[in-house]
Amino acid sequence: DTEVTQTPKHLVMGMTNKKSLKCEQHMGHRAMYWYKQKAKKPPELMFVYSYEKLSINESVPSRFSPECPNSSLLNLHLHALQPEDSALYLCASSQDGASGSWSVTQYFGPGTRLTVL
Amino acid sequence: GENVEQHPSTLSVQEGDSAVIKCTYSDSASNYFPWYKQELGKRPQLIIDIRSNVGEKKDQRIAVTLNKTAKHFSLHITETQPEDSAVYFCAATKTSYDKVIFGPGTSLSVIP
Repeated sequence: DTEVTQTPKHLVMGMTNKKSLKCEQHMGHRAMYWYKQKAKKPPELMFVYSYEKLSINESVPSRFSPECPNSSLLNLHLHALQPEDSALYLCASSQDGASGSWSVTQYFGPGTRLTVL
Repeated sequence: GENVEQHPSTLSVQEGDSAVIKCTYSDSASNYFPWYKQELGKRPQLIIDIRSNVGEKKDQRIAVTLNKTAKHFSLHITETQPEDSAVYFCAATKTSYDKVIFGPGTSLSVIP
């Protein structure tokens, strides 16, 4: 399996809802990422997990809560979002290099198109 | 921290012509430079990458060149086809670090 998968493909939620985005990879990659992408802009890093531990949090508001239950799964829990949080949310993964330095080629999932009403 | 600039922001070419997208980076320690293609509504897909110990890499109609001294790298697409129309992002990072810095993107249109 050489793909990163994400569910759902589309999500519409109100500002008081709680929802979760899911990401899965079976490539044995040990780093997983959440990005937010607005139209015509590059992906904007939110979180990085390496070996199932949070290694980077780019000062993301607490209404976004990541979780890495195991090396293949990555979740993003959403609560009390704002309309400006509407975007494409991309998951990515990359493989750890044998020397301990990262093989940082990132492979992206198809994304979840989130709309907050 | 690293900063990546990318030019042009939009590029329109006739089918069969070549397209060139240029990027500059600020951190001389960056040693890995991927290029991603993103079609409308799709995921970014890696199309080619280059490491700092290589000056040029080619894959069929796509080539990337790297000038470490000038901190420039460029994407060259030859014999463009309508299916090459997409947004292209260059990026830079260090292989000892897991944060990739993306350029702002180039929207390429190939006119049949």
